[in-house]
Amino acid sequence: DAGITQSPRHKVTETGTPVTLRCHQTENHRYMYWYRQDPGHGLRLIHYSYGVKDTDKGEVSDGYSVSRSKTEDFLLTLESATSSQTSVYFCAIKGGGETYEQYFGPGTRLTVT
Amino acid sequence: GENVEQHPSTLSVQEGDSAVIKCTYSDSASNYFPWYKQELGKGPQLIIDIRSNVGEKKDQRIAVTLNKTAKHFSLHITETQPEDSAVYFCAASQTQGGSEKLVFGKGTKLTVNP
Repeated sequence: DAGITQSPRHKVTETGTPVTLRCHQTENHRYMYWYRQDPGHGLRLIHYSYGVKDTDKGEVSDGYSVSRSKTEDFLLTLESATSSQTSVYFCAIKGGGETYEQYFGPGTRLTVT
Repeated sequence: GENVEQHPSTLSVQEGDSAVIKCTYSDSASNYFPWYKQELGKGPQLIIDIRSNVGEKKDQRIAVTLNKTAKHFSLHITETQPEDSAVYFCAASQTQGGSEKLVFGKGTKLTVNP
């Protein structure tokens, strides 16, 4: 998985609780992304980062926040989890310059009850 | 914004046959088109990609074609094998300051029958 780990790999939480998912890379890549995958929707971009402390929104950012204090770590936080946020979450990384390719981590399956 | 349509949603072929998956995109500014293979319980794996300045790209049994005028691109897998069975996703993006924001199709579940 291209030097990407995600933690936890599985989580069950209750509605209204805060949840933080972690993406860690060993590639020293500049760009990092969070996607969610739901049946019938493919993968959709939540937030991305183009450097330490530099982040921006994707197409489905409502209810999510992110932080990147180190090059290797990109955190996704659900401030108050809802059942609609039950999904599989994938982190991806991309190098800088003329590289276009994004490489994905193994995913985190989150269930909100 | 960009919209990517992918067809078919499911595809079943016999081992040794060819498989073709098609995608269309809406934004003529898109310039990068990757294809991912996802096996059950795993993350998407990049298998081939094409940039807008190229019409076709091949890697062993896999090829991708791009028609910019019609705004569609296709994945071709020849001599299919059971291990090709997976869900395949197409995506499109445009370069914006180096960050590629991929927009994905909804996926095609390919089954290769022995």
